[in-house]
Amino acid sequence: ETGVTQSPTHLIKTRGQQVTLRCSSQSGHNTVSWYQQALGQGPQFIFQYYREEENGRGNFPPRFSGLQFPNYSSELNVNALELDDSALYLCASSSTSGDGETQYFGPGTRLLVL
Amino acid sequence: RKEVEQDPGPFNVPEGATVAFNCTYSNSASQSFFWYRQDCRKEPKLLMSVYSSGNEDGRFTAQLNRASQYISLLIRDSKLSDSATYLCVVRIYNQGGKLIFGQGTELSVKP
Repeated sequence: ETGVTQSPTHLIKTRGQQVTLRCSSQSGHNTVSWYQQALGQGPQFIFQYYREEENGRGNFPPRFSGLQFPNYSSELNVNALELDDSALYLCASSSTSGDGETQYFGPGTRLLVL
Repeated sequence: RKEVEQDPGPFNVPEGATVAFNCTYSNSASQSFFWYRQDCRKEPKLLMSVYSSGNEDGRFTAQLNRASQYISLLIRDSKLSDSATYLCVVRIYNQGGKLIFGQGTELSVKP
């Protein structure tokens, strides 16, 4: 086990609703990255948080937003849910944001938007 | 064109077979390369990093050709437990923690 936890494990929402997903990083890690994995695809980078600041963002609209807390846990918020937001949402923690750091993934949250 | 492209799969092989996965990447600024393994409905886990000189870990051998922007993974003597999706992953220089994943190649090892 990586020590990275995510909640909830599964979630069902309807189109237009808002959702908050949570991630607790591994002890000693100050960086959290979020990824979206649609069925049959590889994960896609959403954004990264380093010491409570956004530190890079992928090609996702502004309705995807995040936070990182002083204990380095993190939230992913998605507003105005669309059907295509149905996916596995993964968070990964690392000890820094540097190029050489290994990222350890949590088990993910499966989101279904109806 | 996708930044990282892999063989479409799935690969169905008998136990004991040797199987090779291929991957190409488009950004010449790519710095670090990895193979991740993802079991069904689980999170990706780092299988191995890929170095320019090539590297081996037991039955697994990874190769990198920077000139061709090509990465490979060879699995020898396949086991039933090797059945999973294999993800080719690239990290671009100076983009910090952003990992760029291929779409994955599914491997099914049969008795």
